[in-house]
Amino acid sequence: NAGVMQNPRHLVRRRGQEARLRCSPMKGHSHVYWYRQLPEEGLKFMVYLQKENIIDESGMPKERFSAEFPKEGPSILRIQQVVRGDSAAYFCASSPFTAGRGGEAFFGQGTRLTVV
Amino acid sequence: GQQVMQIPQYQHVQEGEDFTTYCNSSTTLSNIQWYKQRPGGHPVFLIQLVKSGEVKKQKRLTFQFGEAKKNSSLHITATQTTDVGTYFCAGSPTGANNLFFGTGTRLTVIP
Repeated sequence: NAGVMQNPRHLVRRRGQEARLRCSPMKGHSHVYWYRQLPEEGLKFMVYLQKENIIDESGMPKERFSAEFPKEGPSILRIQQVVRGDSAAYFCASSPFTAGRGGEAFFGQGTRLTVV
Repeated sequence: GQQVMQIPQYQHVQEGEDFTTYCNSSTTLSNIQWYKQRPGGHPVFLIQLVKSGEVKKQKRLTFQFGEAKKNSSLHITATQTTDVGTYFCAGSPTGANNLFFGTGTRLTVIP
């Protein structure tokens, strides 16, 4: 059973381009969380999704950021018109249950986004 | 909004000394989880506490969930260099299904 797979591991984008980050949860997991981490800082919640539904996107900027978790395929975090301040590590985590039911979150290796 | 604070932010200890990090939530939590992130790595689940006042041990690590289910602590006895990393608590507010992470405590162990 493969772990949570994120790709790419490293992504370099010029200002104004689009960044597309992918996350394949562990088999059987229908809950996906995206977090952003700046160097030397904590994990900032962005969005929580279940299959085909966004449950909580309160941590995601209203503009330029979007997320989806389609019925088939990986979850995608999309950042349009990237700016230097978007440079960070983006982690995806999956869980078989909701956090409220005590679902342990399994993390991917993260995508390190650098905007130049 | 939901806030989960941890103190201290950084801790340097000599190898063999004890270490404690404290986690405080602005709201009551249905459960608390602890994760460890090594430098350059990703967070890895350590343990989960669910009951008020619950205490769990893993070898040299002791985890406690407060009576009011709003705070928690992680205590490491006789630290080793392999304990180096950032320790995060993560909680799910009662009635919610999200998972919010604390600000983390970065532990450095000096040989």
